[in-house]
Amino acid sequence: EAGVAQSPRYKIIEKRQSVAFWCNPISGHATLYWYQQILGQGPKLLIQFQNNGVVDDSQLPKDRFSAERLKGVDSTLKIQPAKLEDSAVYLCASSPQGPQTDTQYFGPGTRLTVL
Amino acid sequence: GQQLNQSPQSMFIQEGEDVSMNCTSSSIFNTWLWYKQDPGEGPVLLIALYKAGELTSNGRLTAQFGITRKDSFLNISASIPSDVGIYFCAGLSLGGAQKLVFGQGTRLTINP
Repeated sequence: EAGVAQSPRYKIIEKRQSVAFWCNPISGHATLYWYQQILGQGPKLLIQFQNNGVVDDSQLPKDRFSAERLKGVDSTLKIQPAKLEDSAVYLCASSPQGPQTDTQYFGPGTRLTVL
Repeated sequence: GQQLNQSPQSMFIQEGEDVSMNCTSSSIFNTWLWYKQDPGEGPVLLIALYKAGELTSNGRLTAQFGITRKDSFLNISASIPSDVGIYFCAGLSLGGAQKLVFGQGTRLTINP
């Protein structure tokens, strides 16, 4: 079974530029998550989708971050404009629908450096 | 907001030694999870705990869900080089949209 795919793996941009990350979850997984992991910290949930609807985006800085999950499969996370403090690894995870929704499978992440 | 305090932050041990790390919270969680993260990879689930007092093993790993539902510990017996990495505890919040809250991690280094 293929895992969660993310691209790009690395991205370096200057502050005030825009950037987008892409995630392809495990086939059939209804729930998709985006996390931000700052160096030396645990992942922090940014947004959770159930199919193509947003379940929780309470920790998403909506003035600069946006995310969408068209057709309930792939998802993109965008930052516009980027700030220095956005430097982090952005992790995508997915989980199947049902009682085991606590079981999240993580992708390898996109490491963003903002200069 | 909910926070998990994980300790120790780092450990330096000899190969073959046993390891113990724990996680505490001021909030109650109904599920505790332990993940391992290798460099350049996402976290991988090691053990999931669903009931207060539950003790669960996965090979050389053993984890327990605290009676108060506010803490958990992870033990690794007879450590080997591939155990190197960062271990995260995570709690699944009660009700509504279930959200994972992660600790800050314990970095394990093993001297051969």
